[in-house]
Amino acid sequence: DAGVIQSPRHEVTEMGQEVTLRCKPISGHDYLFWYRQTMMRGLELLIYFNNNVPIDDSGMPEDRFSAKMPNASFSTLKIQPSEPRDSAVYFCASRPGTGVGNTEAFFGQGTRLTVV
Amino acid sequence: AQSVTQLGSHVSVSEGALVLLRCNYSSSVPPYLFWYVQYPNQGLQLLLKYTSAATLVKGINGFEAEFKKSETSFHLTKPSAHMSDAAEYFCAVSDRNSGTYKYIFGTGTRLKVLA
Repeated sequence: DAGVIQSPRHEVTEMGQEVTLRCKPISGHDYLFWYRQTMMRGLELLIYFNNNVPIDDSGMPEDRFSAKMPNASFSTLKIQPSEPRDSAVYFCASRPGTGVGNTEAFFGQGTRLTVV
Repeated sequence: AQSVTQLGSHVSVSEGALVLLRCNYSSSVPPYLFWYVQYPNQGLQLLLKYTSAATLVKGINGFEAEFKKSETSFHLTKPSAHMSDAAEYFCAVSDRNSGTYKYIFGTGTRLKVLA
């Protein structure tokens, strides 16, 4: 398997524009996570899905952020409108399922977002 | 609520010296514990994990960590540092009982290896 695939790797956009980040989890994984990494706040969990259903979105900063998982092989994180403070590296991760043998998350390479 | 504390945001060691990166957790019951490594401009890669089997866990690249319940710690060690170990290291915790499967990460420790 190619691992968790995120696109684009880099995104530069102007303030006010809509930004969509994409993620393809590892095939067969039941859980998908979106994290944001900044120098100030470290790694923050934004939202996670189980079997395509959002389970916990308490980390989503505000209504400008939305995430969807229309099927088991694709998820998007959308920011509309974007602001300079949204600049960060956004990671997607997936996990096989529950149980002792399926405890770790596998991370993508991340999308570095810069809002100017 | 669960939390993870990593002591020391930056650690420097000489090549060949012992590496010790500290992690303490806060949880009502022993959680699952993880160490991840992040190289520049890369995602996070799992080094090792504790899931309640052996308390001394061996991982990749010669790293190991010991779970100590009495100290609520899960420190990462490596006997001899290599230049290639320079990276940022994250400790993470996941609750095994609540039915929530999210991971809480520490603030990270950047390891510098001096020649």
